[in-house]
Amino acid sequence: KAGVTQTPRYLIKTRGQQVTLSCSPISGHRSVSWYQQTPGQGLQFLFEYFSETQRNKGNFPGRFSGRQFSNSRSEMNVSTLELGDSALYLCASSLRGLAATSTDTQYFGPGTRLTVL
Amino acid sequence: DQQVKQNSPSLSVQEGRISILNCDYTNSMFDYFLWYKKYPAEGPTFLISISSIKDKNEDGRFTVFLNKSAKHLSLHIVPSQPGDSAVYFCAASSPNTGNQFYFGTGTSLTVIP
Repeated sequence: KAGVTQTPRYLIKTRGQQVTLSCSPISGHRSVSWYQQTPGQGLQFLFEYFSETQRNKGNFPGRFSGRQFSNSRSEMNVSTLELGDSALYLCASSLRGLAATSTDTQYFGPGTRLTVL
Repeated sequence: DQQVKQNSPSLSVQEGRISILNCDYTNSMFDYFLWYKKYPAEGPTFLISISSIKDKNEDGRFTVFLNKSAKHLSLHIVPSQPGDSAVYFCAASSPNTGNQFYFGTGTSLTVIP
């Protein structure tokens, strides 16, 4: 099976711009979660999508949003970029995701390195 | 608020010896714990997990120990190999928080040949 893919791998933007990142999950996986990784904070959960619906959300401002398509591919959008948004953005896919009664193993993509100048 | 903490940013170990990576958590409701390994330019890969009903789980050279009373998790790698050199993240989840994963900041392990 092909793994989780993320595009683009690297991105440079300037403050105030917006950016869209893409994630294609492993075939058959319906859950996609997004994380932000920074050196001081580790991986921080942004949100999870399951069957096109946002099911969980972390503690990030509304500038961070996402969506999931019927083929389970997901996009994450960050508007009005700030310098502090520079980070590695990782997506992870799993079969059932962060369901109420169980937790699946998540498979991560290689990430998109976003630099905001 | 960092609910999962890895207080050692780095660790160096001789090849063949034991590597012990530590993780502490603050939320007593966490009931599922995982370790991930991350190489540069790659995403984290799942290594081993443990549920709160157990205190130990083994998978080959990797063993995870859970001490619920101390809210402490550790990963033992025996024997350590140069290919184990990577950043290791622990993570925890709880149904009370939608099962979202809370990750530590990572420990960079270097295994010296």
